Amino acid sequence: DIQLTQSPSSVSASVGDRVTLTCRASQDISTWLGWYQQKPGKAPKFLIYAASSLQGGVPSRFSGSGSGTDFTLTINSLQPEDFATYYCQQATRFPFTFGPGTKVDVK
Amino acid sequence: QVQLQESGPGLVKPSETLSLTCTVSGGSMDSYYWSWIRQFPGKGPEWIGYIHARGRGSTNYSPSLKSRVTISLDTSKNQFSLKLSSVTAADTAVYYCARLDCTNQGCYLNVWGQGTTVTVSS
Repeated sequence: DIQLTQSPSSVSASVGDRVTLTCRASQDISTWLGWYQQKPGKAPKFLIYAASSLQGGVPSRFSGSGSGTDFTLTINSLQPEDFATYYCQQATRFPFTFGPGTKVDVK
Repeated sequence: QVQLQESGPGLVKPSETLSLTCTVSGGSMDSYYWSWIRQFPGKGPEWIGYIHARGRGSTNYSPSLKSRVTISLDTSKNQFSLKLSSVTAADTAVYYCARLDCTNQGCYLNVWGQGTTVTVSS
């Protein structure tokens, strides 16, 4: 299986901050990477595909970048509804593994 | 808009079979891959497997669960199901059904059910 690691495991931030989350793959996955947001007690919500393409309806303050093994998710001007846990997922080979997540909480 | 809803027992005894059903509403099941995912507290989602609604309903299961998993499909009822046999306490988790969308840019879980907690205990 392709392994994904995420850093940091948690980050404390304030409304209006810019937050950058990192995901690293155990092998080259080109740009075949997605990002999901999950709030407590809810299912994950699909945000970004192909490393940098926003799913419909996702605010433009979210952006993704990277290719190969290193990827980032950036949230510009963090909003109250953005406090959540974020997971990356590799989209190239089954099982389409997820990372362990990064929790964004209130500073 | 497609919606998914899991149903099934919330409590299963050790060594028995966990059975869940996912009902799809608001859209066709054709051409998509219908998936089961589980999540342990504080961990990332974990793949169980998926079934393709086209043709013979091909399946793909996580290697770690393959010997215990069966996913099936009933398009006449707009449902797909999960059976996980010989469960232990380690199978206690939140179980999600989801739609896997595959394009030339990869495979992603675009639509999710709300999830159902299954506890394995006597």
